[in-house]
Amino acid sequence: GAGVSQSPSNKVTEKGKDVELRCDPISGHTALYWYRQRLGQGLEFLIYFQGNSAPDKSGLPSDRFSAERTGESVSTLTIQRTQQEDSAVYLCASSLGRLGTVRNTGELFFGEGSRLTVL
Amino acid sequence: GENVEQHPSTLSVQEGDSAVIKCTYSDSASNYFPWYKQELGKRPQLIIDIRSNVGEKKDQRIAVTLNKTAKHFSLHITETQPEDSAVYFCAASRYSSASKIIFGSGTRLSIRP
Repeated sequence: GAGVSQSPSNKVTEKGKDVELRCDPISGHTALYWYRQRLGQGLEFLIYFQGNSAPDKSGLPSDRFSAERTGESVSTLTIQRTQQEDSAVYLCASSLGRLGTVRNTGELFFGEGSRLTVL
Repeated sequence: GENVEQHPSTLSVQEGDSAVIKCTYSDSASNYFPWYKQELGKRPQLIIDIRSNVGEKKDQRIAVTLNKTAKHFSLHITETQPEDSAVYFCAASRYSSASKIIFGSGTRLSIRP
């Protein structure tokens, strides 16, 4: 596609419900990242995929958070039993591939984000 | 793991003056340092990056400097303009291996007319 696409753009849910956030990376981008941005705060690393493998899951805040990726395509971030502190914008970004390869300039291309509000 | 600290958190400068944002990192193996700009309500976008084999890089009114010994790097914006108002994020990672990119907490830059 022309850019990174995320859905839903806005999600309001009740505490305790599960939510799924979707990210469609730029075609051909093998690396995919998820970040969380609370209101007025920085970009908190959650998880990173190289292809469909997740070499680094260290940023996931708790076992309520999980993510998967199908091949070098769509990724879903799932939050189970949502809490009010999960309210944030969840940003997905993709890049060409493994840092250090000739093709990869390292630039992350971000989606518009999914704004999650937990009541 | 890598930790990136950024300051100041807010910065207000007169239009036409220069702005400087500073970051420090903890992982001595980090060798790739990008800067992203996030305008209000928009997604972050890369504005400039630097790798550890150089100490400075310029692109028109923006420049980045890197001091690997001290593990700090800075963004310099000269002749600031209203459109420079945004939140700026620094980041660090290991370019030579598949790695996460860790961001600083951001600097909200305001340009006074």
